[in-house]
Amino acid sequence: QKEVEQNSGPLSVPEGAIASLNCTYSDRVSQSFFWYRQYSGKSPELIMSIYSNGDKEDGRFTAQLNKASQYVSLLIRDSQPSDSATYLCAARSGSARQLTFGSGTQLTVLP
Amino acid sequence: KAGVTQTPRYLIKTRGQQVTLSCSPISGHRSVSWYQQTPGQGLQFLFEYFSETQRNKGNFPGRFSGRQFSNSRSEMNVSTLELGDSALYLCASSLGIAGLTEAFFGQGTRLTVV
Repeated sequence: QKEVEQNSGPLSVPEGAIASLNCTYSDRVSQSFFWYRQYSGKSPELIMSIYSNGDKEDGRFTAQLNKASQYVSLLIRDSQPSDSATYLCAARSGSARQLTFGSGTQLTVLP
Repeated sequence: KAGVTQTPRYLIKTRGQQVTLSCSPISGHRSVSWYQQTPGQGLQFLFEYFSETQRNKGNFPGRFSGRQFSNSRSEMNVSTLELGDSALYLCASSLGIAGLTEAFFGQGTRLTVV
């Protein structure tokens, strides 16, 4: 079982819709969770971090964490074509606290 | 302030050769992590350095090594290159290694082994 799992997609949503990206993790002692956006041919860019149960909002982005269910999600409201990218979920887990990534979800926002 | 700088951006090497990649972290950041990204395997953790000491290591063969200098700059070395080493190598910079630390990536070095 992979430590961090994501639906690989691809996920397509129309412009203006809400895109929902999901992630589960296996290590219960994971402390911190991150969402990165990676455009094709570019490096990952940090867009959200979340450490506590509940929601964290930043502009059009909302990260949700449920430690009991070992589940993290990212909601993108009013999706734009420029949001089309691969979204990577990451967790700092294990006693070594290294950052472990999921395989990413490819999102396409259709104009 | 300046971001994470990786050099070179692109590299073509021949099987059997060795290569050294460089990473300069964000000013004030003391932790540098290295990742290999390939289409089939995604982002794989190589190693992490903090205060010139390797703190974590991923499941890569000993041909992959790294080091960190007193100014927090880091290098990684791959010896006896294989075709399968062709990948995007990414360096991430963090303030420290505590559990809540955010990591910021450089632009990466695209290595092609022929």
